[in-house]
Amino acid sequence: DAMVIQNPRYQVTQFGKPVTLSCSQTLNHNVMYWYQQKSSQAPKLLFHYYDKDFNNEADTPDNFQSRRPNTSFCFLDIRSPGLGDAAMYLCATSRVGQPGDEQFFGPGTRLTVL
Amino acid sequence: AQSVSQHNHHVILSEAASLELGCNYSYGGTVNLFWYVQYPGQHLQLLLKYFSGDPLVKGIKGFEAEFIKSKFSFNLRKPSVQWSDTAEYFCAVTSNQAGTALIFGKGTTLSVSS
Repeated sequence: DAMVIQNPRYQVTQFGKPVTLSCSQTLNHNVMYWYQQKSSQAPKLLFHYYDKDFNNEADTPDNFQSRRPNTSFCFLDIRSPGLGDAAMYLCATSRVGQPGDEQFFGPGTRLTVL
Repeated sequence: AQSVSQHNHHVILSEAASLELGCNYSYGGTVNLFWYVQYPGQHLQLLLKYFSGDPLVKGIKGFEAEFIKSKFSFNLRKPSVQWSDTAEYFCAVTSNQAGTALIFGKGTTLSVSS
């Protein structure tokens, strides 16, 4: 089945230790998104790639970076995780031109910062 | 500013009760509207969406929603809930421009007792 895959599902890191989260998709969608969802809050967009074009949200901290080496993969890099970065990180994809522009979500990576 | 407001934080119902979850949005221009559901331990899934046409939209599992443009609302309804509907429900809006972010409401937790 076509899907959005995130690895790992659970990630534990130490305060200040860089971490990379991975997302891959078999949907061949041209837009990929990273959302942060803290406990009991709505998902909040960090940034997205429209093909190779990177679009950063204005309030996304510099600590968060992203890479998209090809259509299928997108990475979220947290350079120096703080305790406040503990959250669920959701990857989503969409295909431009599809009516309604539905976003398909992966299962998320739960990040714990010790 | 663009925003989505969900009226209820936590709703508790008995099986077979009727459900209505409120959603209002503030967004300039033409919008696409969504309801996503997140079952315990699972990823966000699309329940239904509206982007044009009939303002009464039917989704999966017996859910429906009505877009009322004059009220900036997109309320979710189900005539008879089941225990398996226990989940977190998110209303979301995006513009009809390609690759734009989903703006989510804070979510409503629905607990259905059998």
